[in-house]
Amino acid sequence: GDSVTQMEGPVTLSEEAFLTINCTYTATGYPSLFWYVQYPGEGLQLLLKATKADDKGSNKGFEATYRKETTSFHLEKGSVQVSDSAVYFCALTAILTGGGNKLTFGTGTQLKVEL
Amino acid sequence: EPEVTQTPSHQVTQMGQEVILRCVPISNHLYFYWYRQILGQKVEFLVSFYNNEISEKSEIFDDQFSVERPDGSNFTLKIRSTKLEDSAMYFCASSSDGGGPQHFGDGTRLSIL
Repeated sequence: GDSVTQMEGPVTLSEEAFLTINCTYTATGYPSLFWYVQYPGEGLQLLLKATKADDKGSNKGFEATYRKETTSFHLEKGSVQVSDSAVYFCALTAILTGGGNKLTFGTGTQLKVEL
Repeated sequence: EPEVTQTPSHQVTQMGQEVILRCVPISNHLYFYWYRQILGQKVEFLVSFYNNEISEKSEIFDDQFSVERPDGSNFTLKIRSTKLEDSAMYFCASSSDGGGPQHFGDGTRLSIL
């Protein structure tokens, strides 16, 4: 079945440091890939997405490129801020024959950014 | 920006009792979902719902679970006889099209005593 593997956390960085959170996936077919973010006490928010190979998703300074050859979708940001502290989830989606799609999530990576 | 709302934010229930978790999806969305996250574990798919019927459900979604869209706005998850292991954060989500991104609510934390 489909699966997503993320790097273990927590990741602790100083403000303005470069961020990479690794994500690899296993899936049949050609899934769409997503990064969701969960701030403390809140729900999951869509951060960015990519729907086909070589697509780059970007939002709020975060980027991730859909790499089919390495089955990866690593999240990067050039300069993190304290406000980026959250849990980041990599996910892929499979289209359901009955309608809709099903997200398969990684375990999540907690990011802590310190001054 | 429209959002998915869930109530209550926290539900405490005795084991064996029935519980209903409520969700109001984004108004023009057609696809509805429930996920759960046991503390410290992955977010897991429970069920998807489209055109007034379940389109897929996971192994977790056994006979104790049911979903309903009783009117044009609400989407509910019912657990008939709760167990300790049902304690988790339950997330509702909706999407406007079958392949589109899902928008999540803030979740209901369910605690079974």
